[in-house]
Amino acid sequence: DAEITQSPRHKITETGRQVTLACHQTWNHNNMFWYRQDLGHGLRLIHYSYGVQDTNKGEVSDGYSVSRSNTEDLPLTLESAASSQTSVYFCASSESPRQETQYFGPGTRLLVL
Amino acid sequence: AQKITQTQPGMFVQEKEAVTLDCTYDTSDQSYGLFWYKQPSSGEMIFLIYQGSYDEQNATEGRYSLNFQKARKSANLVISASQLGDSAMYFCAMQGNTGKLIFGQGTTLQVKP
Repeated sequence: DAEITQSPRHKITETGRQVTLACHQTWNHNNMFWYRQDLGHGLRLIHYSYGVQDTNKGEVSDGYSVSRSNTEDLPLTLESAASSQTSVYFCASSESPRQETQYFGPGTRLLVL
Repeated sequence: AQKITQTQPGMFVQEKEAVTLDCTYDTSDQSYGLFWYKQPSSGEMIFLIYQGSYDEQNATEGRYSLNFQKARKSANLVISASQLGDSAMYFCAMQGNTGKLIFGQGTTLQVKP
C-alpha cells in the first residue's frame, strides 16, 4: 500500500547542531508539505513543494530549509537547532495543490536541549 | 488573510449521543476547501471529511457530517452516535487558492461511557 513515512520518529539533539528530518511518500504525489505542531498553535506550515526542484516558504520558515531532488522525498533541515524548534513535525502530501486532501505522516518528535 | 477559528478548546459528550464541533473561517478566496482532521492520543493526523466551497450539499462520511453555512462562514463537524474511540483532538482546516492548509487550534473531544 502507498504510504508516507517519517524518520526518525523521535530525536534528541543539542542547540546549534544541524538536524535533518526525512519524509518519504510512495503515492507519487507532486505536492509535499512540512508542518510543526505546538501547544496552542495548532499546525503551522514551514515549507512546501509543488514538484521536483520547487520549494516555497511557509508561515514559519526561519531556521529551516528543504530540498526536492525527487518526487518521493522532502527532507527538512534545521540548520542550527534552537530550543524554540522543539516540536512535533508532520510531513504531508497531496496529489494536486488546490483543494485536495493532504495525507499526513506519523510525525517526528524533536527535542532540542 | 485567511483564518480558522475553533472556539471550543474542550468538549464532552455521552457515548451514543451526537456532538457538534464548531469551526468558523475567514477568507477572500472565492474557491476554497474545508477539511476536518482527527488526532488521537497516538498523534497521527487522520483525514475525516472535506467540503468544497461550491458544493451545494453538506458533505457526509459515515458518522461524520459537515454542516456548511457559507453565508455565516462556518463549517461545523457533526459526529453522530459518539463512540469511545472518537475521543481525540479535532482540527478544522481551510485551503484556498494557494493550496496551503491553514489550521485552527483544535478542539479536544472526550466521550464519556
